[in-house]
Amino acid sequence: ETGVTQTPRHLVMGMTNKKSLKCEQHLGHNAMYWYKQSAKKPLELMFVYSLEERVENNSVPSRFSPECPNSSHLFLHLHTLQPEDSALYLCASSPFSHGGVAQYFGPGTRLLVL
Amino acid sequence: QKEVEQNSGPLSVPEGAIASLNCTYSDRGSQSFFWYRQYSGKSPELIMFIYSNGDKEDGRFTAQLNKASQYVSLLIRDSQPSDSATYLCAAATPNTGNQFYFGTGTSLTVIP
Repeated sequence: ETGVTQTPRHLVMGMTNKKSLKCEQHLGHNAMYWYKQSAKKPLELMFVYSLEERVENNSVPSRFSPECPNSSHLFLHLHTLQPEDSALYLCASSPFSHGGVAQYFGPGTRLLVL
Repeated sequence: QKEVEQNSGPLSVPEGAIASLNCTYSDRGSQSFFWYRQYSGKSPELIMFIYSNGDKEDGRFTAQLNKASQYVSLLIRDSQPSDSATYLCAAATPNTGNQFYFGTGTSLTVIP
């Protein structure tokens, strides 16, 4: 595996389900990110982790719960989602969590909430 | 509110022409700027970054930055149908960690 990988690639869930998104980066980076991409809207930063510590949380509803067990893995736990949460969820990584360095994206998880 | 503005397009150019994509940003403290290409149904792919005023060239791509005007552009020379995608502009400000502010993207179609 190279770069940033995400699983699953597609997910359909009901509003009462609990599911998790997984991200893994093989770039040796220290920072990882979760973004939400909805149609016609800019990418929305959800969470930033640096060396497994959360450094940014952009007022994301508590039904989204991140977990970063180590600098290579990032999870997004989902529970009691709403239909408006349907979107493309992107994971990204960068060498550091400062300095305006490039971020590299995974392929994304396309989520549909019914 | 830190904003990055892009014309949503669609921008159509004939094959072989130069495509010019533009972006403005509101935060004068932004220091790093990025262009990503996103094919339909795919994730963003980094194609260029620029930190200093002026031009930066990489193959058929040239990024231009004018901090005084708060303006960033991407030129694609000899446009190919495979360049048809949405191009996202992003700005980063050092004092906000590595938080990127993205535009909504410009849709480019290269007509064979």
